Amino acid sequence: DAMVIQNPRYQVTQFGKPVTLSCSQTLNHNVMYWYQQKSSQAPKLLFHYYDKDFNNEADTPDNFQSRRPNTSFCFLDIRSPGLGDAAMYLCATSRDQGQETQYFGPGTRLLVL
Amino acid sequence: DQQVKQNSPSLSVQEGRISILNCDYTNSMFDYFLWYKKYPAEGPTFLISISSIKDKNEDGRFTVFLNKSAKHLSLHIVPSQPGDSAVYFCAASAQGGSEKLVFGKGMKLTVNP
Repeated sequence: DAMVIQNPRYQVTQFGKPVTLSCSQTLNHNVMYWYQQKSSQAPKLLFHYYDKDFNNEADTPDNFQSRRPNTSFCFLDIRSPGLGDAAMYLCATSRDQGQETQYFGPGTRLLVL
Repeated sequence: DQQVKQNSPSLSVQEGRISILNCDYTNSMFDYFLWYKKYPAEGPTFLISISSIKDKNEDGRFTVFLNKSAKHLSLHIVPSQPGDSAVYFCAASAQGGSEKLVFGKGMKLTVNP
């Protein structure tokens, strides 16, 4: 089945130690999104790629970066994780922008020690 | 500043009865609204949407109502089934859906057999 896959499902890192979260999709969608969801909070968009064009949200900290080497893969890099970065990170894709359904992966739960 | 509010964190209903999930928004530029459903250990999945040119959209047991003057939308599930037990997220977008999705915090629905 076509899907959005996130690895790993759980990630533990140390304060200040760089970490990379991975997302892949078999839907061949043009748009890929990264959301951060803290406990009991709404998912919050960090950034998205429309094909190779990177679109950063204004309030996304510089500590968060992203790479999309090809259509299928997108990575979230946290350069120096702080305790406040502990959250669920959700990857989503859509065929195009506009009124297009977003398909979500199961998320990666990040714990910062 | 929360632009999409789901003020009730949880709702419990009996199987066969109606479930009504409410959502309020503050941004008058929002013109496209969606509901997502999330089971534990899975990503959110799209359920139903409505454009601001309509006040009602129906899909099987699920109906979304939009009251633009009150900046309020609701999701009705009739009849409710135990498999509907999940967290439901309300989301909104501006510019006909081309702007980013803004999510509410979610509401946990429990349908008791």
